Amino acid sequence: EADIYQTPRYLVIGTGKKITLECSQTMGHDKMYWYQQDPGMELHLIHYSYGVNSTEKGDLSSESTVSRIRTEHFPLTLESARPSHTSQYLCATQRAGDTGELFFGEGSRLTVL
Amino acid sequence: GQNIDQPTEMTATEGAIVQINCTYQTSGFNGLFWYQQHAGEAPTFLSYNVLDGLEEKGRFSSFLSRSKGYSYLLLKELQMKDSASYLCAVLDSNYQLIWGAGTKLIIKP
Repeated sequence: EADIYQTPRYLVIGTGKKITLECSQTMGHDKMYWYQQDPGMELHLIHYSYGVNSTEKGDLSSESTVSRIRTEHFPLTLESARPSHTSQYLCATQRAGDTGELFFGEGSRLTVL
Repeated sequence: GQNIDQPTEMTATEGAIVQINCTYQTSGFNGLFWYQQHAGEAPTFLSYNVLDGLEEKGRFSSFLSRSKGYSYLLLKELQMKDSASYLCAVLDSNYQLIWGAGTKLIIKP
């Protein structure tokens, strides 16, 4: 049974639509991350959070927002989807401390037409 | 800038040994991770090195040389299920992870 849940797993949507990718975890981890990954490419950090009401921008944050109202949830919102947003989005958590490994969800694969 | 270099693709034979190299140039160093990622799936943690030397974990071992900015992942007794991408990632001075693009490992019977 997965401890990190991402929904939807797959989404095909038209340009200009607003979308929210959900990420929930039952591991009780304070640190959570959103990454974007294209096939054969490195992971790019979009946003991260070190706890409730804490959010920080990563390298690719300019076109999206996140919130962290509860420890368990860390949703990612694209206000206006574009074809350049077509990618795999991975949510991850990390145990307390700075050097713990990341635990990833199964990902949300987004296609914007 | 910060940079992680890994070979794009490697091929090996079932039952053999393969070494996947990773070189890095980062602003500071707080450890190096290796993750395995099967096609279409999420990365899973393999190893973490912060001190120089070899860490062995079953069929997988990871080596680090901080002075050379170099690490390798050694996979022994290769199995078909080891076909995957192997991602190298470095924790920089701000404890941010810098990721390599991954090495796609193809195992042939």
